[in-house]
Amino acid sequence: AQSVTQLGSHVSVSEGALVLLRCNYSSSVPPYLFWYVQYPNQGLQLLLKYTSAATLVKGINGFEAEFKKSETSFHLTKPSAHMSDAAEYFCAVRQIQGAQKLVFGQGTRLTINP
Amino acid sequence: GAGVSQSPSNKVTEKGKDVELRCDPISGHTALYWYRQSLGQGLEFLIYFQGNSAPDKSGLPSDRFSAERTGGSVSTLTIQRTQQEDSAVYLCASSLVVTPGEQFFGPGTRLTVL
Repeated sequence: AQSVTQLGSHVSVSEGALVLLRCNYSSSVPPYLFWYVQYPNQGLQLLLKYTSAATLVKGINGFEAEFKKSETSFHLTKPSAHMSDAAEYFCAVRQIQGAQKLVFGQGTRLTINP
Repeated sequence: GAGVSQSPSNKVTEKGKDVELRCDPISGHTALYWYRQSLGQGLEFLIYFQGNSAPDKSGLPSDRFSAERTGGSVSTLTIQRTQQEDSAVYLCASSLVVTPGEQFFGPGTRLTVL
């Protein structure tokens, strides 16, 4: 079975500061990994994905994530936070073969302080 | 083209009533997914359709929940004899079945059971 743990249900940073959202996964088979963002009253939007190519993945809006197999982690970072980054962020895992469903973490709400 | 659309955007119903939620996937996407987002349970997979294959119903929480996909396009999620614990946002997603098949999400239907 697969699972995802996001450390910290709420993260608050100052505008211009580094954003770090943590994600650890558990999977018995090689996974695909995703980060989605959800703005209030909207659906999920894909930020970036890891598909077993480069371990450092760049996404939209200046976000990137690094796949570390030894740590079973896929943390999301952005060097300089912007007010528009305030949203909820979800890490998700999916099997490469077999079941197509996404298994999500509990989400991290990111607040940006002016 | 247009994204995934869902209707209604909001639904309020009384306990014990049946409800139908609709999803229009992106044209040409052969895979369709339903997820549920609730405060207590986070984002949960419900059901997955792929072409003419038998759907993966492994996430449906009870036999009160069912879904169909007509003509390989529009899908309807039906909840019979609704209970208060069914209150949640129901999200639909679609994808091409090209690994890794990014899932595109609709805005969701917010269901409130009184």
